[in-house]
This record gives sequence, structure tokens and C-alpha cells, in this order.
Amino acid sequence: DTGVSQNPRHKITKRGQNVTFRCDPISEHNRLYWYRQTLGQGPEFLTYFQNEAQLEKSRLLSDRFSAERPKGSFSTLEIQRTEQGDSAMYLCASSRGIHEQYFGPGTRLTVT
Amino acid sequence: AQRVTQPEKLLSVFKGAPVELKCNYSYSGSPELFWYVQYSRQRLQLLLRHISRESIKGFTADLNKGETSFHLKKPFAQEEDSAMYYCALRPLGGATNKLIFGTGTLLAVQP
Repeated sequence: DTGVSQNPRHKITKRGQNVTFRCDPISEHNRLYWYRQTLGQGPEFLTYFQNEAQLEKSRLLSDRFSAERPKGSFSTLEIQRTEQGDSAMYLCASSRGIHEQYFGPGTRLTVT
Repeated sequence: AQRVTQPEKLLSVFKGAPVELKCNYSYSGSPELFWYVQYSRQRLQLLLRHISRESIKGFTADLNKGETSFHLKKPFAQEEDSAMYYCALRPLGGATNKLIFGTGTLLAVQP
């Protein structure tokens, strides 16, 4: 197992376009988290899945954001009608229950 | 409100000097505290957690509930310790296991 993977690693898009990111967690990890990190800040929690169920969403997750985890395996995070303020590093993490969260390398989004 | 504060954006020390990275938290209950580290071009990884009370790479951190602090310490800094350090809090009793991070401190160890 090579750890949590995220694709793409970098994404440049124009304002107003839709983007989708993918996260593949460590196999057998039932919990999956999405965080967002902007310049000079620590990661901020966005949402969390236990298996396929999305159990919590942060107020940071506006209506333009949607996340899925079909079949409780990989997860996707979609941002519709991107804005410049969406430019950030999007981090995925997974864990087995309440144990240690393992982070992926992140997807850096730049909205021009 | 749940908050983690790391007052220093940058801490620069010389090799062999002691290091203390400050972390204060605000939380009404009993949290679990962590230190995460991110080396250059690597992903965020767990360094240590307060409940394990262990020393990792020579680093220790003690939870002081009276001062609501969880400072990270190392008696003799090494150049390979240069990295970004994040203090994080996990509310206990919650279902999500979500982490609340501070803004991070960049530790630069000079030769």
C-alpha cells in the first residue's frame, strides 16, 4: 500500500469552470476526510465520510462544493463555478476508525 | 470556540540549540492534541500525540490543561528537523475525528 493518493496533483482552471478531484484512501480505512489549506494557514476541515456515508460538512463547504464516496472506497470532491477564492491546496486523509489520519499529497487548485 | 493558536510563524535556531514550538488551544472539553510535521516536498504526517506520551525523533510535548498549552520541545535541534510544524486538536467525544489545526510554525535550523 503506497498510502493515500490524490489526483490530479495540480489543476489550473478558469473562473466559472467546474473541477473534480479524486482521493484514493489506504485500503481498509473506513473514514475519509477532506481538508482545504490556503497560503499561510493550517488545514481546515471540509467534510468527512464513514464508509459511503457523508456524516459531517463544514460551513466552509458552500453549495458549489459536493463530495461523494461511492461504495466506501475512493472519494471525489467537485467544485462548481469555481471562484478565485477557491484557490487552495485540497488535502485528503483517511483513517481506520478514530486512529491516526494519514494524509495524501494534496491537489493544488489555481483559479485564474 | 475550538481554536488552536501557534503564535510564531517562523522559528530560527542554530544546530544544537534547544527548540520550543508554542501551541495554545481553546476548547471547552477534553481534547486530544497532536503535532503534525511537513518536511519539504513531503506530505503532512503525524509526529506525536499527547496520549502516547512518547518521544519521537527527540521531540516531546506535554499537555498542560491549566495553561491550555501543548508546546513541542527538543533539547538539541538538528538540521533535518527543519520543517513546518502544525499543532492540531481533536475534540474528544465527537463522532467525526476531525482535526482542528493551527496556522503552523516553520522551524529553520541553521548549521
